[in-house]
This record gives sequence, C-alpha cells and structure tokens, in this order.
Amino acid sequence: GAGVSQSPRYKVAKRGQDVALRCDPISGHVSLFWYQQALGQGPEFLTYFQNEAQLDKSGLPSDRFFAERPEGSVSTLKIQRTQQEDSAVYLCASSFNGAGELFFGEGSRLTVL
Amino acid sequence: GESVGLHLPTLSVQEGDNSIINCAYSNSASDYFIWYKQESGKGPQFIIDIRSNMDKRQGQRVTVLLNKTVKHLSLQIAATQPGDSAVYFCAGSGGSQGNLIFGKGTKLSVKP
Repeated sequence: GAGVSQSPRYKVAKRGQDVALRCDPISGHVSLFWYQQALGQGPEFLTYFQNEAQLDKSGLPSDRFFAERPEGSVSTLKIQRTQQEDSAVYLCASSFNGAGELFFGEGSRLTVL
Repeated sequence: GESVGLHLPTLSVQEGDNSIINCAYSNSASDYFIWYKQESGKGPQFIIDIRSNMDKRQGQRVTVLLNKTVKHLSLQIAATQPGDSAVYFCAGSGGSQGNLIFGKGTKLSVKP
C-alpha cells in the first residue's frame, strides 16, 4: 500500500498474555520506528531500526518488550506477559533514510484487562 | 531532563480566525523540531518542520517560529478551518535518529 500499515488495529488481551503487533512500512523505507502513545499523551519513542539492524532500543520500557525486523521490511513488536500499564496505542513509523520525514501508521490499540 | 511541552491543553477558535499553538522545550541540544497533527483514531501527520539554524519557516497556511533564546516554538495556522480540528503535537529531536520527544498535545477546536 501507499502508507504504513499496522495490524491488528485493535487488540484486547488478558493480563499475562503475549501479544504481537505487526507493521508494514512504506516500500523502500530504510528506517522504521515504534512509538507508544498512552491516552491523552504524546507518543513516546520505543525503538528504531535501520534495515534489519536495531540501532536504538533505549525506549523499550522493560525486557517484556521485544521488536524485530528480520528482513529489513516488516517489523513485529512483541509484548510478553502483558500488564495493564501496557494499554496504549502502539504507533509504527517509517522514513526513507531516518533523517527525513516520519510517516506514521494508524496504530494498534492494545487494551489489557 | 529532556522535555517538550505545550502551554495550553485546549484551544478553541472561530472558523476563519488565525490559530497560534505554543510549545516549550528544555533540551538545548535539539536541532530539529516538527509539528504533527493527529485526528482521532489516526496516526500523527507531519505538518511542518524547522531546523535550529532557522527562526521561521512557512508552509501552506502554516508558519512555524523558533525562538532558541527562550526555547520556544509556535505553530500559526492562518484562516483556521473546521478540518483543522485535531490534536497538535510539537516534537524535538532526541538522542538518535527518529528518537523524537513529543509534547502532550494541544486540542484545537474550530467553531463554525
């Protein structure tokens, strides 16, 4: 597609379940970013990939959060043993070279009960 | 610490008036600033950006002003339209590429 695609758009998980969120960046975009947006707040940086290399994961809140981009295209954000505080919208963004404009997807809204 | 914050959480303007949304930042090392618009249920959409070596940049109906002395950023929207209703975020560059530090956002409501 023409934009960044994320799935699922909505996910409800019971506390303790594992979830996986998928991001399809714009074709040809080298850089991919994950952000977490809590209700009523601005997005917060989680992690950054350049091709398949994860260059910055300083924003991941705990070792329950794991992101990968094995072939330098699609990325998956995995959250293990979800907690209620993990409830948020998870935004994926891509850019052509990392220094340019970020194009955001519509996000995956995670609700942990 | 690093932070980018907005002065007002909500702003209501009359259609056709000009809107000004303000933002303060604390990280002197930020050299790149961006304004995003976010409509309900959607991801942030790029509006305009500015580098720290500039103090003003204009786009279509939007102008961004940067005052590095007082670490202040503003977004001016001319002739505000109902379609401009959204939450507006300022963001500044952080420690690495794509590591943007966002403010909480200002909700702009345009009255017809």
